[in-house]
Parts: sequence; C-alpha cells; structure tokens
Amino acid sequence: GENVEQHPSTLSVQEGDSAVIKCTYSDSASNYFPWYKQELGKRPQLIIDIRSNVGEKKDQRIAVTLNKTAKHFSLHITETQPEDSAVYFCAAQYSGGGADGLTFGKGTHLIIQP
Amino acid sequence: EAEVAQSPRYKITEKSQAVAFWCDPISGHATLYWYRQILGQGPELLVQFQDESVVDDSQLPKDRFSAERLKGVDSTLKIQPAELGDSAMYLCASSFVAGGRSDTQYFGPGTRLTVL
Repeated sequence: GENVEQHPSTLSVQEGDSAVIKCTYSDSASNYFPWYKQELGKRPQLIIDIRSNVGEKKDQRIAVTLNKTAKHFSLHITETQPEDSAVYFCAAQYSGGGADGLTFGKGTHLIIQP
Repeated sequence: EAEVAQSPRYKITEKSQAVAFWCDPISGHATLYWYRQILGQGPELLVQFQDESVVDDSQLPKDRFSAERLKGVDSTLKIQPAELGDSAMYLCASSFVAGGRSDTQYFGPGTRLTVL
C-alpha cells in the first residue's frame, strides 16, 4: 500500500518568513495530493491540492509543487502570519474509482513566531 | 456552507463497553469515509462507502469494529468491546463523485473517544 513520509515534524519560523513542508510517497499510481490544515480541536480543512498532471499550483500565499519522477511534493507558505500556526498534513490518493481513501503523513506543527 | 456533521463530539467510556458514532455527510455526497486519528498522527482510513456499499474495509479491525450506511446517507461506526488503544479522534469525511471518481474529501469535526 501507499506510504507517505512528511518532514519536518515541527517547523518554527518568524512572522513574514516563508515555510516549506516536504512529503514523499511510495506508490507511483497515486495521482492526487491534497494538503490539510488542522487547528487544535478542529476538523482538517483542505487548503490546496494538486493532481499528477500538474507540476505546480498557487493560491495567494500558498503553493504546492509536485515531482512525479522523484515522488515528492512540497507545500510553500510565503509571508507567514500568526493565523498560519497549525498542524499541516499532506496526503496521497489514487483517484480512479473504487477504493480511494487518503494516506496521510504524520503532520507538521508549524509555529509562527511574532 | 454545507458541512459534514458528527455526533457525539466527545465520548468517554470504560473498556469492554460498546460505543457508537454517527456521521451525516454533505447532501449529495455518495462517498463516505471513516478515519481514526491518534493524537500526534495523521488520520488513517478505517472504511469507505460508496452509497450503501462498502468499497474498502481492509484496515477495519473487524473483530470489534463495524460500520454501516444502510440507506446510503448517514452512517454509524460501532466499537464493541472498546479497548484502551481505541482512544482517538474518529473523523468522518465525504466526497462528491464526478466522472466515476471521488472529488475533494470534506471532514467532519470528529468524535474524540477516551477509553478508561
């Protein structure tokens, strides 16, 4: 089955700086890669996603890059703000009908220092 | 904006007791998932439904866990008997099906289970 590794487990950055979180996956059949943000005690919320036919996607301060050959994808947050503090999870999925549950990484606790 | 609903939000039980969690997906979402999230880890899939049918339950501990979605809408996850290691957040997610494949998964607020 799919295995997703996520690094780092904790990331502390100064407000206004950039943050980068990296994930690798094992199953070359995976074709959908979402990123979820989970604040303490709250539900995971999708912040950005990318499909395997795209190499990069951007939404305001958030961007995701995908390298299918190396089987890794990364989340980039620029101009970090205090409200970006949360746990971020990457995930991988084979989306082609049938069994398509997400396989998640272990999460990155992002801390924005004022 | 429509959201996935879950109840109860918190459940405390003693080991060997039975517990049940309920999920109501976003209206029109044919696919429903149950995940378990142990503190400090990412969610792990337990079971996936497409309408009322089980699509994937390979990670569901079937000796004590059961799940149903009788009318293809809301769903119940049951644990009997509960064990100490079952303490976790149980998350429900749903997704719309388009072109034969599931779209973005939206998560409910979860049920936090504590087994004493």
